[in-house]
Amino acid sequence: EVQLLESGGGLVQPGGSLRLSCAASGFTFSNYAMNWVRQAPGKGLEWVSAISGSGSSTYYADSVKGRFTISRDNSKNTLYLQMSSLRAEDTAVYYCAKVPTPRWFDYWGQGTLVTVSS
Amino acid sequence: DIVMTQSPLSLPVTPGEPASISCRSSQSLLDSRGYNFLDWYLQKPGQSPQVLISLGSNRAAGVPDRFSGSGTGTDFTLKISRVEAEDVGVYYCMQALQTPFTFGPGTTVDIK
Repeated sequence: EVQLLESGGGLVQPGGSLRLSCAASGFTFSNYAMNWVRQAPGKGLEWVSAISGSGSSTYYADSVKGRFTISRDNSKNTLYLQMSSLRAEDTAVYYCAKVPTPRWFDYWGQGTLVTVSS
Repeated sequence: DIVMTQSPLSLPVTPGEPASISCRSSQSLLDSRGYNFLDWYLQKPGQSPQVLISLGSNRAAGVPDRFSGSGTGTDFTLKISRVEAEDVGVYYCMQALQTPFTFGPGTTVDIK
């Protein structure tokens, strides 16, 4: 059974940093691209970042480029999102999602809430 | 960036009746391999999104056959043949042709 379990969310001050993790199980992690998607309170879904199975290719939304870094440790079956210079508008539930080929989001985690506030 | 629009944004439905949601993209989602990179997701209240339809018309595993997706290029439709109470939630279309992947604004389906 595929499972994606996010962690690392919490309350952080503007300008601060946070690292999210997504622990994967039930599939060969290194074979799949992974993505982060976020949802601000009461709002729709916003794609944040993607990484290839090997980790060699990464992609970012303009809203987070230069502030967020996606990475993965295939030996630990874990996806990461390092977030820095956080802003109030980064407040959201962050979901990780598994991406099969050709490309769609077939499994999503339960999400972790990030709140940026002083 | 590819802009996604949906209509209607709110859809009150009667159980047992059909329902339809339209999704349009600002550019074609059909790639050279013949794939339409358009997916449909349902976010039920208090839950994570779940895939319903991938690549325009492929029903995901475990999705009831009352859900169907159609369309090509820039115009797509999600149809529910007979709505059930468990189908309430927000339906999103998403393009996965190119980054940034973009979602439609969502269509809220609730029971009349």
